[in-house]
Amino acid sequence: DQQVKQNSPSLSVQEGRISILNCDYTNSMFDYFLWYKKYPAEGPTFLISISSIKDKNEDGRFTVFLNKSAKHLSLHIVPSQPGDSAVYFCAASSFRASYDKVIFGPGTSLSVIP
Amino acid sequence: EAGVAQSPRYKIIEKRQSVAFWCNPISGHATLYWYQQILGQGPKLLIQFQNNGVVDDSQLPKDRFSAERLKGVDSTLKIQPAKLEDSAVYLCASSSGRGQGLFSYEQYFGPGTRLTVT
Repeated sequence: DQQVKQNSPSLSVQEGRISILNCDYTNSMFDYFLWYKKYPAEGPTFLISISSIKDKNEDGRFTVFLNKSAKHLSLHIVPSQPGDSAVYFCAASSFRASYDKVIFGPGTSLSVIP
Repeated sequence: EAGVAQSPRYKIIEKRQSVAFWCNPISGHATLYWYQQILGQGPKLLIQFQNNGVVDDSQLPKDRFSAERLKGVDSTLKIQPAKLEDSAVYLCASSSGRGQGLFSYEQYFGPGTRLTVT
């Protein structure tokens, strides 16, 4: 039972354009969401997060939007750069849980074409 | 600040053999995680330690996998005996732990160990 879903295994975008990566979750207990970025042969690195008390969080070229009613979040990268080519994992957790367990989605592989 | 260290980076073994992975988390991080990442999937939590106590090992195949965290610092994950389906990347991560603010959920990952079982 996948609690965090990323239905697009891959995405290809032209350099300079917007990349939109989507994520859906099923567990209404989740109230904290994170995006991680992973290059080949490296471990994932934290990118950006959002708490359920917000619907948007920005950090430079990266913006995460949260739609709680739809149980959906998205990561926007503007403008996209070739160095953004990586696998992006959406992850979810709950402050109300007894411990800080994080559930990861399957990932979306982003290719930014120069 | 030194990152999470893991060794070895790569390991090839035959099925039914045993293997061990080592992880040294970021200094001062109370929480340590071991994940299994199969190709095309997201990281799956195997075991989570808070200091040297186990918080969650619900997805650890305990008949063949074992893990310990020595003195609340380094950790070792062992597989004995290995099966073909254990071929994956094993990731270790650490975090400062709950109560340190929002960023306590931010995990820092090591480079992983790629295990191939033949």
